[in-house]
Amino acid sequence: GAVVSQHPSWVICKSGTSVKIECRSLDFQATTMFWYRQFPKQSLMLMATSNEGSKATYEQGVEKDKFLINHASLTLSTLTVTSAHPEDSSFYICSASIPGLARTGELFFGEGSRLTVL
Amino acid sequence: GNSVTQMEGPVTLSEEAFLTINCTYTATGYPSLFWYVQYPGEGLQLLLKATKADDKGSNKGFEATYRKETTSFHLEKGSVQVSDSAVYFCALNDNQGGKLIFGQGTELSVKP
Repeated sequence: GAVVSQHPSWVICKSGTSVKIECRSLDFQATTMFWYRQFPKQSLMLMATSNEGSKATYEQGVEKDKFLINHASLTLSTLTVTSAHPEDSSFYICSASIPGLARTGELFFGEGSRLTVL
Repeated sequence: GNSVTQMEGPVTLSEEAFLTINCTYTATGYPSLFWYVQYPGEGLQLLLKATKADDKGSNKGFEATYRKETTSFHLEKGSVQVSDSAVYFCALNDNQGGKLIFGQGTELSVKP
């Protein structure tokens, strides 16, 4: 149980285009999802917290208009990188908590989505 | 603010060697502590966790003890295998917002 799936697992796009990444909780309802960004050989940087039915909470320094997050249902959150540029190339990872386990802090991670902007 | 510091990698060991990856943290209150592992080409997986002081988390031969007096959560394994080659992340949760704060990750490479 507690499977989180991301799609696509990798995407290549041209500079200036927008890319949408989906994150789904397959066997549980996730009221809260988290989006991370991972640079090569570096740690995960939390970008935003996505709550179902409300606006996402962005971390300091993350551009809200660049990284649009929507959490329209209890099993789906999307991250849209708008007007992508080469510096947006990265590995984007989503995670979700199970409501009953939220207090323990355990998260379940998607496989990640590698974005390459040409 | 809360933070996690891990020993820098990469760490290269021979099969059956003893592994220690150091992790220290800074946090207010009583955080939960985690070790996550990321195998090549895969997403992060929870390896083990501890939710209060003196708890020992263990899984797949790995262990880590929550030491509040030294604010540490060092990962150990008595005999590593080639299949343990991965990046290991130490993390904490302050049990308030559900956010995980990660260390920088330590790459482990085990040679036959």
